[in-house]
This record gives sequence, structure tokens and C-alpha cells, in this order.
Amino acid sequence: GDSVTQMEGPVTLSEEAFLTINCTYTATGYPSLFWYVQYPGEGLQLLLKATKADDKGSNKGFEATYRKETTSFHLEKGSVQVSDSAVYFCALSSYGQNFVFGPGTRLSVLP
Amino acid sequence: NAGVTQTPKFQVLKTGQSMTLQCAQDMNHNSMYWYRQDPGMGLRLIYYSASEGTTDKGEVPNGYNVSRLNKREFSLRLESAAPSQTSVYFCASNGGLGNTEAFFGQGTRLTVV
Repeated sequence: GDSVTQMEGPVTLSEEAFLTINCTYTATGYPSLFWYVQYPGEGLQLLLKATKADDKGSNKGFEATYRKETTSFHLEKGSVQVSDSAVYFCALSSYGQNFVFGPGTRLSVLP
Repeated sequence: NAGVTQTPKFQVLKTGQSMTLQCAQDMNHNSMYWYRQDPGMGLRLIYYSASEGTTDKGEVPNGYNVSRLNKREFSLRLESAAPSQTSVYFCASNGGLGNTEAFFGQGTRLTVV
């Protein structure tokens, strides 16, 4: 079945550092790919998405590119802030149903 | 602009007790989902409902039942709670085929003692 693998962390960075969180997937079809963010005590919020190969999703300075050849969707941000501290989940969905999530990566950004 | 609403937010149960977690969405979505979140394991699908009147098992359905009461509401029932069901439960919804992202509720933190 479909699956998502991502670095589990925790990842600790200083403010203004560059962030990369790796995500790779296995899927039989052509899934849509997502990054969700979870702040403490809250539900998951969509951060960005890409629905086909070579699409780049972006939001709040975060970016990820759908790479079909490497089955990857790595999350990047050029300069992280303390407010970016959260848990980040990579996910896929085939045909808008049956979402599959990675284990989550906890990010802590220190001032 | 409520989105997906779950109740309750917190609950403590004794082993063997039963309870129902409620979920409602106001976005006219066809599909609804129940996940549990455990440390280091991400979100695991318990049950989902692709449309009103249908439900299907997910990855970890044992010990749970669901009801899709109408298009808005999707409840999760624990008939006889066990400590292994201590978790954070999330309800989600999306539009179904062709409508890609899922919207999540705030979660229910359940402790079974």
C-alpha cells in the first residue's frame, strides 16, 4: 500500500537557519502530496500542497517540489523563525481520499 | 466559519467504559475520517466514510465503531475502552474525489485508566 517516510527528528535550529525536512513516498498511482503543520495543542493545518509532478507548493516562506523521479517532496525554508516551532507531517492522497501520513518531524527553533 | 468541530476536547475513561466522540463539519464535504495520533507513529486511519451512508475500515479499526449520521456528522464509538486506546483522536473531512486537501478538527485527548 501507499506509504510516506520522513525524517523524524527532533530538529533543532537557530533562528534564521535554513530548514530541510526530507520526505519520500511510495504510491501505486499519481498521488497529491501535502505538508501539514501542527502547533501545540491544535489540529493539523495544511501548509502547502502539490497535485502533479514538478508542481511547487509554497506558503509562509516554505516550499516543496513534487519530484516524481525521486518520489520525494522535501520541505524547505530559507530562514526559520521561533514561531515555526511545530510538528510537520508529510502526507499523500490518492484521488482525494485515503490520506496517508508520515510519522511527523518536530522542529524547535531557538532564538 | 467553524470548519470541523469535535467534542469533547478532553476525556478520561475507566477501562471498560464506553463513549462516543462527535464530529461535525459545515463545509458540505462528502468524505470524513477518524484518525488516532500516537507519539512517533503519525496519524493512523481508524475508519472513513466516503459519502453519506457508507463507512469503511482503515488501518486500525479494532475496538471502534462509527456512524455517518448524515452528511455533516461522523461519530466514533468506543464500546469497551482499553488503556491501549489512550490517544489523541482527530476527525477530518474533505470534498472527496477531485477535492484534495483534508481539513482537521482540534482533536480529542482521551485517557483510559
